[in-house]
Amino acid sequence: DIVMTQSPDSLAVSLGERATINCKPSQSVLLSSDNKNYLAWYQQKPGQPPKLLIYWASTRESGVPDRFSGSGSGTDFTLTISSLQAEDVAIYYCQQYYSSSTFGQGTKVEIK
Amino acid sequence: QVQLVQSGAEVKKPGSSVKVSCKASGGTFSNYAVSWVRQAPGQGLEWMGGIIPFFNTATYAQNFQGRVTISARGSTSTAYLDLTNLRSEDTAVYYCARGHALAGALLWLDHWGPGTLVTVSS
Repeated sequence: DIVMTQSPDSLAVSLGERATINCKPSQSVLLSSDNKNYLAWYQQKPGQPPKLLIYWASTRESGVPDRFSGSGSGTDFTLTISSLQAEDVAIYYCQQYYSSSTFGQGTKVEIK
Repeated sequence: QVQLVQSGAEVKKPGSSVKVSCKASGGTFSNYAVSWVRQAPGQGLEWMGGIIPFFNTATYAQNFQGRVTISARGSTSTAYLDLTNLRSEDTAVYYCARGHALAGALLWLDHWGPGTLVTVSS
């Protein structure tokens, strides 16, 4: 199984500031035949199911604010919230779907 | 508008089995995949497996091989999760999620059900 390691486990960011979450798969999730990274990002608020934010590592799901962006390739990925809003307080998960599927352990984002 | 409706909460004894259902509406059921993801209290997300109803083929996470069966009935747009030999560590919220698929591979999950709490306790 591909192990997904997120960092940090939690972070506190001031409103309007940038939040950056990292995700490192234990092996590359870049498929050479289509040059796509098989990675998604989700947001989960307390008491709610997860919500899809990003797929193919950098494609924003319809309706997701453009302050959310994904980047990276291979074994090194980042989710960036460019200007943190109060409603962004949540736990964020990365998921690989390159080989079966696994999630990272989650990163909790709070307001400083 | 895609909606996933899951069956209600369950309380089970250790060693027993549970079957959770997930009925989809608002989309073409056979055009997508359905995955099951669980979340133990205060813990992260754990992918259990998924199925592509069009091909009626299921894929399972290694941790659950032999204990889980995922099935789907296209005529009712419903997917099922069967988990056997339950233990206390299986206490969790079980989510179904609609997923995209490509050439038989399960991809990202774009719509999620509300979750079903399964409690395993003697």
